[in-house]
Amino acid sequence: AAGVIQSPRHLIKEKRETATLKCYPIPRHDTVYWYQQGPGQDPQFLISFYEKMQSDKGSIPDRFSAQQFSDYHSELNMSSLELGDSALYFCASSLGDSGGETQYFGPGTRLLVL
Amino acid sequence: KNQVEQSPQSLIILEGKNCTLQCNYTVSPFSNLRWYKQDTGRGPVSLTIMTFSENTKSNGRYTATLDADTKQSSLHITASQLSDSASYICVVSAPDGGSQGNLIFGKGTKLSVKP
Repeated sequence: AAGVIQSPRHLIKEKRETATLKCYPIPRHDTVYWYQQGPGQDPQFLISFYEKMQSDKGSIPDRFSAQQFSDYHSELNMSSLELGDSALYFCASSLGDSGGETQYFGPGTRLLVL
Repeated sequence: KNQVEQSPQSLIILEGKNCTLQCNYTVSPFSNLRWYKQDTGRGPVSLTIMTFSENTKSNGRYTATLDADTKQSSLHITASQLSDSASYICVVSAPDGGSQGNLIFGKGTKLSVKP
């Protein structure tokens, strides 16, 4: 079965650079979630989209922005990168966003900021 | 604040043995509780999902229990295998999670299965 696809899988950037992470949800899923997971930490919710509209906002820094496109894929744009942004970034998708649906996680993008 | 606490923090067992992981939560209101398995550097994979009316749910060698009155859940792994080595994360769904999002994550139990 098709799963959530994230690209790139690994990314190395320098401080103050920008990065764009992409997420392709499971076909027919209309909701996308972004999480940031630091080393040894549990995933921190950043932001979510339902039907191309932002539905929930978590601890996403102002330097980051995200959107969901007409084909339901989502992109997380990160600017003025800081060392502390180094983490695993997970995208998850679900059908609906009432809170009761299972979120299926992608493999993650490992971002390293030097 | 909605919280999910897991114990133990880490666990080492021998291959073939059983083990039980614990999860206590203070999330309210509560939609459902899930157990995820997360291999190092990979995305969490859902093992079980239970609503407040369910007491137990099995998925192969994994059996999850839920006591909605005491707000406790456990994940029992039977006849452990080396491939069970991973972090097991208890996640509670909070429809009104707000800035925490719909899912409240525990910090996980890191399980190591040794030959």
